[in-house]
Amino acid sequence: SQTIHQWPATLVQPVGSPLSLECTVEGTSNPNLYWYRQAAGRGLQLLFYSVGIGQISSEVPQNLSASRPQDRQFILSSKKLLLSDSGFYLCAWSLLGGGQAFFGQGTRLTVV
Amino acid sequence: AQSVSQHNHHVILSEAASLELGCNYSYGGTVNLFWYVQYPGQHLQLLLKYFSGDPLVKGIKGFEAEFIKSKFSFNLRKPSVQWSDTAEYFCAGGGNNRLAFGKGNQVVVIP
Repeated sequence: SQTIHQWPATLVQPVGSPLSLECTVEGTSNPNLYWYRQAAGRGLQLLFYSVGIGQISSEVPQNLSASRPQDRQFILSSKKLLLSDSGFYLCAWSLLGGGQAFFGQGTRLTVV
Repeated sequence: AQSVSQHNHHVILSEAASLELGCNYSYGGTVNLFWYVQYPGQHLQLLLKYFSGDPLVKGIKGFEAEFIKSKFSFNLRKPSVQWSDTAEYFCAGGGNNRLAFGKGNQVVVIP
């Protein structure tokens, strides 16, 4: 069966520090991968999606970037965190483009 | 841009009342539509989905949704809610490799 792992679960980082959140999927090949940020009253904002290794689509201009160095690995990064980057970040995968998504457990990021 | 919109972010109703949550999408071409639910302190889980075929979709826990292409809508319904239906509900639309979510409806069911 397929599983998705996302870590860490919580993270507290100072302003200006770098960020790396990792997400890996097991039990499937060539999944579509997604990064979302969830905020109260704002739903899930799609940040990035990827249809294959090295293929990243960015939804909104921001202080974050994403990479997909391997088929089932999706990384969310920042060179210098801002206070406004605080939030709950969710990784997800789907078998088909725009198909049913399966979510990781999420990372609560607090920038101080 | 392809998007999904939900209205009436906060909904409060009594047990046994009927629930209907609106969802409108703006997608060109083929679209897959979903409703997800997030119970307090839990992760997102799928309620139901529509890819094609019968526009009336039955989901888990007595929920259903109707795809109306002419109205670009995919509204969620439940005839009689229970206290355990208190949760946040998200509509989502997928197409062209994207999967976008609405802002959610916070539903509170009063016993």
